[in-house]
Amino acid sequence: QLQLQESGPGLVKPSETLSLTCTVSGGSITSSSYYWGWIRQSPGKGLEWIGNIYYSGTTSYNPSLKSRVTTSVDTSKNQIFLKFNTVTAADTAVYYCVRSGAVTLRRAFDLWGQGTMVIVSS
Amino acid sequence: DIVLTQSPGTLSLSPGERATLSCRASQSVSFGYLAWYQQKPDQAPRLLIYGASNRATGIPDRFSGSGSGTDFTLTISRLEPEDFAVYYCQQYSVSRTFGQGTKVEIK
Repeated sequence: QLQLQESGPGLVKPSETLSLTCTVSGGSITSSSYYWGWIRQSPGKGLEWIGNIYYSGTTSYNPSLKSRVTTSVDTSKNQIFLKFNTVTAADTAVYYCVRSGAVTLRRAFDLWGQGTMVIVSS
Repeated sequence: DIVLTQSPGTLSLSPGERATLSCRASQSVSFGYLAWYQQKPDQAPRLLIYGASNRATGIPDRFSGSGSGTDFTLTISRLEPEDFAVYYCQQYSVSRTFGQGTKVEIK
């Protein structure tokens, strides 16, 4: 059974870079059937899509966050990565690793990690 | 951005009753690229419906989705105790955006 597991520091200082890793187990990240991505959830902003990446490295981002976000993939380790720079307190949220289908109709998020809480504070 | 507005904010119902949740989009959602999710406390959201009306794998048939254009509905035909949760709609027609959620609580 395929599972997603987020990892990374739970506390990041303002103006620094938030870096998270998602490890995919029980299946290959190189499946042509799926995109992988990140979503965050905060009390103030609710659920917010951050971006997606295909195993080939093709990316798409939320336009409102695009200037601060980079996603990447390491197929040898079955991992995807999120880098979010110049963070502020507004970036405090639970960050989820997610999967979505590659076929357009199925591009809903059908698998979620358990989420990791990130607090931005000095 | 397509803004999704869910109503009502809270729905108070008893087990066995029918729940009808609404999601209205600020502009047309092409091809019904709309999904519904269920979230329970301290859990990640779970996909219920994709493509406006297609149940995801393992989702009971008491959950159904309908709608097109700018108006979409999630219906739970008979509420089970485990269905009391927060429900979100999400569109994937233009970028990806979520509604603010509807809480279904026990009356």
